Amino acid sequence: AQSVTQLDSHVSVSEGTPVLLRCNYSSSYSPSLFWYVQHPNKGLQLLLKYTSAATLVKGINGFEAEFKKSETSFHLTKPSAHMSDAAEYFCVVIGSGNTPLVFGKGTRLSVIA
Amino acid sequence: DTAVSQTPKYLVTQMGNDKSIKCEQNLGHDTMYWYKQDSKKFLKIMFSYNNKELIINETVPNRFSPKSPDKAHLNLHINSLELGDSAVYFCASSQVSSWTEAFFGQGTRLTVV
Repeated sequence: AQSVTQLDSHVSVSEGTPVLLRCNYSSSYSPSLFWYVQHPNKGLQLLLKYTSAATLVKGINGFEAEFKKSETSFHLTKPSAHMSDAAEYFCVVIGSGNTPLVFGKGTRLSVIA
Repeated sequence: DTAVSQTPKYLVTQMGNDKSIKCEQNLGHDTMYWYKQDSKKFLKIMFSYNNKELIINETVPNRFSPKSPDKAHLNLHINSLELGDSAVYFCASSQVSSWTEAFFGQGTRLTVV
């Protein structure tokens, strides 16, 4: 079964410093992977997606993620954090059978001024 | 134009009551979902409908009953509400034929008192 593990439940960075949110996946076939963001009291917004094309995927708001098959990872990065990036981030894999989207447990990103 | 819209955004009700949450999508997608987000932010699928037919029914109490009058609408009715039903409920839609990303509504925060 497909699954994702987000390695950090909480990440705190200073404004203007790089962001790294880590995600490892488990899949029996070439996966489709996504990062979603949830701002406080808001819905879920798609940041970016990987669907077996380029391994480096660019998303909205300056975020990008790199698919590394050898490491079964799909880490999310941003060169310079902004206060508005503070939110909950979810790594998601397309499942199989009865679970179309399988969510990680989320990483809360805090940005310190 | 909101792609996936749910109403109401907030719902506070007493134990034992029956309530409904409505969801509509204008993306022309053929599949709609209900997800539940608990207090720890974990998202779990509850139901999935494809062209008005139920295709996923995870282990949820049968007090929860989804209804899809057409492929653009998926409503969630909850009978005999319990304290443990308090959560944020998200509606989503996707084109399951291509197993691509889902688009989410803003969520309905249900509080049972």
